[in-house]
Amino acid sequence: QKEVEQDPGPLSVPEGAIVSLNCTYSNSAFQYFMWYRQYSRKGPELLMYTYSSGNKEDGRFTAQVDKSSKYISLFIRDSQPSDSATYLCAMTPGGYQKVTFGTGTKLQVIP
Amino acid sequence: GAVVSQHPSRVICKSGTSVKIECRSLDFQATTMFWYRQFPKQSLMLMATSNEGSKATYEQGVEKDKFLINHASLTLSTLTVTSAHPEDSSFYICSASEPGTTEQYFGPGTRLTVT
Repeated sequence: QKEVEQDPGPLSVPEGAIVSLNCTYSNSAFQYFMWYRQYSRKGPELLMYTYSSGNKEDGRFTAQVDKSSKYISLFIRDSQPSDSATYLCAMTPGGYQKVTFGTGTKLQVIP
Repeated sequence: GAVVSQHPSRVICKSGTSVKIECRSLDFQATTMFWYRQFPKQSLMLMATSNEGSKATYEQGVEKDKFLINHASLTLSTLTVTSAHPEDSSFYICSASEPGTTEQYFGPGTRLTVT
């Protein structure tokens, strides 16, 4: 079993839709959670970073963490064609320990 | 957020030659940098953790004599692919963390093609 599971998609939604991206994990040592956006042939860009259960909002993006269920989500409101990319979840126990990435979900927002 | 650059962005080399990729943190000092490899439609695979002033820590299955890492300063780490072969063709990405933080900031990546 992989430490981090993420549906690879692709996920196709119409412009303006609410998008829900999810990851599950098995390692209870993970305490810090991140979401990255990666456009084709580019390096990942950090979108959200959180370390506590609950919701964290930044503009159209909301990161949700449920440590009891080992489940994290990223919600994108009012999705735009420019949101079309691959979204990677990432997590780590903290300190300088290795960050483990999900396989990424490819999102396509159709105008 | 912190800015990390990589050079070159793309390189084509002949089989048997060596290629050096640079990773720089532009607006902060990074005691630790990370090197990843990404195959098409796959996630990031950590190759090694680069610590300033000391030897890199390689992940299991990564040949340290083939992928030489040097972290000579707090803002620069280099990855040298020695005696490159076509199977080394991939997208190589570095990342760095600001001191005392956990989140990593990534460079734009280097696409290596070995012919």
